[in-house]
Amino acid sequence: AQTVTQSQPEMSVQEAETVTLSCTYDTSESDYYLFWYKQPPSRQMILVIRQEAYKQQNATENRFSVNFQKAAKSFSLKISDSQLGDAAMYFCAYSIQGGSEKLVFGKGTKLTVNP
Amino acid sequence: DTGVSQDPRHKITKRGQNVTFRCDPISEHNRLYWYRQTLGQGPEFLTYFQNEAQLEKSRLLSDRFSAERPKGSFSTLEIQRTEQGDSAMYLCASSPFRGTIYFGEGSWLTVV
Repeated sequence: AQTVTQSQPEMSVQEAETVTLSCTYDTSESDYYLFWYKQPPSRQMILVIRQEAYKQQNATENRFSVNFQKAAKSFSLKISDSQLGDAAMYFCAYSIQGGSEKLVFGKGTKLTVNP
Repeated sequence: DTGVSQDPRHKITKRGQNVTFRCDPISEHNRLYWYRQTLGQGPEFLTYFQNEAQLEKSRLLSDRFSAERPKGSFSTLEIQRTEQGDSAMYLCASSPFRGTIYFGEGSWLTVV
């Protein structure tokens, strides 16, 4: 079965500090995409960052960056200079290239940002 | 363009009743997805449309569930003879081909 594991149900960070959320995945496919989505209390899922598996360079988006370790099937998210608005559920997901490219999600990590 | 729109946002229904949810994707997005999300879980894939064709269905989509996307525009998800286990948030998402998937705000279903 193709799965995504987020081993940290909850994490907390002080405002302005850095936090890393962990994610491992399991797929036998070679061409796939990896994602981190954020779901604030308003419940709309928002894309944070995307990584193509064939790219060795780690993706970055402003304060968000990933550590992609393809051999280890690990895809962690680092949030720098944490802000109160970063508080949300964070979901790691992947999709297989080709076909529907549906997303397979982990169970999520609840991030709390303390002022 | 205001994003993916879902209606209703909340629905409370009695067990055994039928319910229908509507999704209006971002215009010109040919791909449309339905997911189900229960408390404490990540979204689970239900079904996928490319234009008007339903190309993939999850085993989660029992015979009581049906989805349509007439003319490749809006989509509906109908649940017949609802059960308490159907209580969840139903998320719709859309994307262009090989593009970013955008989600709607979801439709909460409570079956009492």
